[in-house]
Amino acid sequence: DAGVIQSPRHEVTEMGQEVTLRCKPISGHDYLFWYRQTMMRGLELLIYFNNNVPIDDSGMPEDRFSAKMPNASFSTLKIQPSEPRDSAVYFCASSPPAGLGGYTFGSGTRLTVV
Amino acid sequence: DAKTTQPNSMESNEEEPVHLPCNHSTISGTDYIHWYRQLPSQGPEYVIHGLTSNVNNRMASLAIAEDRKSSTLILHRATLRDAAVYYCILRPSGTYKYIFGTGTRLKVLA
Repeated sequence: DAGVIQSPRHEVTEMGQEVTLRCKPISGHDYLFWYRQTMMRGLELLIYFNNNVPIDDSGMPEDRFSAKMPNASFSTLKIQPSEPRDSAVYFCASSPPAGLGGYTFGSGTRLTVV
Repeated sequence: DAKTTQPNSMESNEEEPVHLPCNHSTISGTDYIHWYRQLPSQGPEYVIHGLTSNVNNRMASLAIAEDRKSSTLILHRATLRDAAVYYCILRPSGTYKYIFGTGTRLKVLA
């Protein structure tokens, strides 16, 4: 299995531009999570899906952030408009139905907003 | 959510055992104890989890106190590749949210 695949690995964008981060979960995993990591705040859960349906988006910082999961094999996290304070590493993770075996994280997307 | 407390950093010599402690005095009866680690420039990686009994897998062992208010992750022989931040997390049964704390940064000395 190729694991959780995120793209791009690095993204540099100008303030005000739209940014779209992509994630392909492990086949058969029906939970998908988006996390953000910064030095100041550590790892923060932004949103998670079960069977493509958003379950908890209480961690989404503001309306500029949106996430979708149109099918079981693809999810996006969009920031529009982007701001310098959005600079962080964004991780996607997926988990099988039982969940107790743990999540599998992707390698992350390092976003820099200048 | 129940909170965990871990030392900020620890050091170990290569090929020696490492005991990483975690306090979770407010744990409830349905909380599972999970451990993850994050190597430099990588996403977190699942290590082990348990509820009440001690657990072993190919990566590590998890020792859980009888009152469940603390646990210890045991790496039996530390290698340089084990240098990482180790997170101890409580996850209530039936939920799927991990709340990561600040973790313990493990440094392995050659």
